[in-house]
Amino acid sequence: KQEVTQIPAALSVPEGENLVLNCSFTDSAIYNLQWFRQDPGKGLTSLLLIQSSQREQTSGRLNASLDKSSGRSTLYIAASQPGDSATYLCAGKQGGSEKLVFGKGMKLTVNP
Amino acid sequence: KAGVTQTPRYLIKTRGQQVTLSCSPISGHRSVSWYQQTPGQGLQFLFEYFSETQRNKGNFPGRFSGRQFSNSRSEMNVSTLELGDSALYLCASSLGWGEAFFGQGTRLTVV
Repeated sequence: KQEVTQIPAALSVPEGENLVLNCSFTDSAIYNLQWFRQDPGKGLTSLLLIQSSQREQTSGRLNASLDKSSGRSTLYIAASQPGDSATYLCAGKQGGSEKLVFGKGMKLTVNP
Repeated sequence: KAGVTQTPRYLIKTRGQQVTLSCSPISGHRSVSWYQQTPGQGLQFLFEYFSETQRNKGNFPGRFSGRQFSNSRSEMNVSTLELGDSALYLCASSLGWGEAFFGQGTRLTVV
């Protein structure tokens, strides 16, 4: 049974810092891993999807990596901005199903 | 291209009532999944539909049910509402593999 963990649960940083968000999963037979952003009271916005055959994906200031052997994914945010403040969630998917298993999320606050 | 549309956005219901939530996926997407989000439990999978067939179901009581229509639109129904059913219900659509896209959710409050 896949379990996904995100530590820490919250992070507060000054603007401009480069950030690393961590995500751990228990089942290395993961099909893909997806990172999302959620603003208060809103739905989830997809940030990056990494297939199991890939090692990393990049979009603008965001870079996500996947290491199946160690059961870890990281989301790197370069030059953080106050607009990056949100809850970030990672979710893993196994083959044969669209079911996503989510971590509890990490609430990020970027202070001006 | 239109995103995932969930209606209604907000609902207030009384204990014991039933409720139906709707989800229209992105055009061309055949898979629709539903999730319940609460502060204590986070995001939990309810069920997944692909081409009108339920492919997977989470660990929720039988009061929670769903269906998918031939145009891929999906509905979920909760009967005999309980206070603990208060949550944000999120719908996700995908092609059946790859990236999942979420709607804005329906906020259900049971009083």
